[in-house]
Amino acid sequence: AQSVTQLGSHVSVSEGALVLLRCNYSSSVPPYLFWYVQYPNQGLQLLLKYTSAATLVKGINGFEAEFKKSETSFHLTKPSAHMSDAAEYFCAVSDLDSSYKLIFGSGTRLLVRP
Amino acid sequence: DADVTQTPRNRITKTGKRIMLECSQTKGHDRMYWYRQDPGLGLQLIYYSFDVKDINKGEISDGYSVSRQAQAKFSLSLESAIPNQTALYFCATSGRQNTEAFFGQGTRLTVV
Repeated sequence: AQSVTQLGSHVSVSEGALVLLRCNYSSSVPPYLFWYVQYPNQGLQLLLKYTSAATLVKGINGFEAEFKKSETSFHLTKPSAHMSDAAEYFCAVSDLDSSYKLIFGSGTRLLVRP
Repeated sequence: DADVTQTPRNRITKTGKRIMLECSQTKGHDRMYWYRQDPGLGLQLIYYSFDVKDINKGEISDGYSVSRQAQAKFSLSLESAIPNQTALYFCATSGRQNTEAFFGQGTRLTVV
């Protein structure tokens, strides 16, 4: 069965610093991978997705993620953090074996210091 | 109007009461899901439905039931609510394979 591990329940960065949120997945077949963001009191919004095309995926708000099969990773990055990036971020995986239903990681809360 | 609408947005109920959370979507998607969010646990899948006649248990289905009334409607019931079902509940929809899921705004349920 597939699973997702997000390292670090909380990540704190200074405004303008690099953002790196880690995600490792487990899947026995080629996966589809997603990053979602949740702002306070809101639902989840898609940031970006990997669906077996380019391994470097660009998303909204300057975020990007790179699919690395050898490392079973799909880490999320942004070169320069903005105060408005403070939110909770979820990595998710789906694959053929799970009939493409989404399985989520436990989430990482990003704090941005002025 | 939102693509995925959940009602109610907030609900406080007493232990032992039956409660229904409703979800409707205008995306025209076949697939609908109910997730539960607890701090530090991410989103856990309760039930999912790939079409009107298809209902499947997720990771944490005990204590919950669902009904797919139409392609656009998927409701979640707690037959006898208990305090550890206090959580934020999300409904989501998706198309078939490798497509993203679209989420409702969530229902915050408190069982006292």
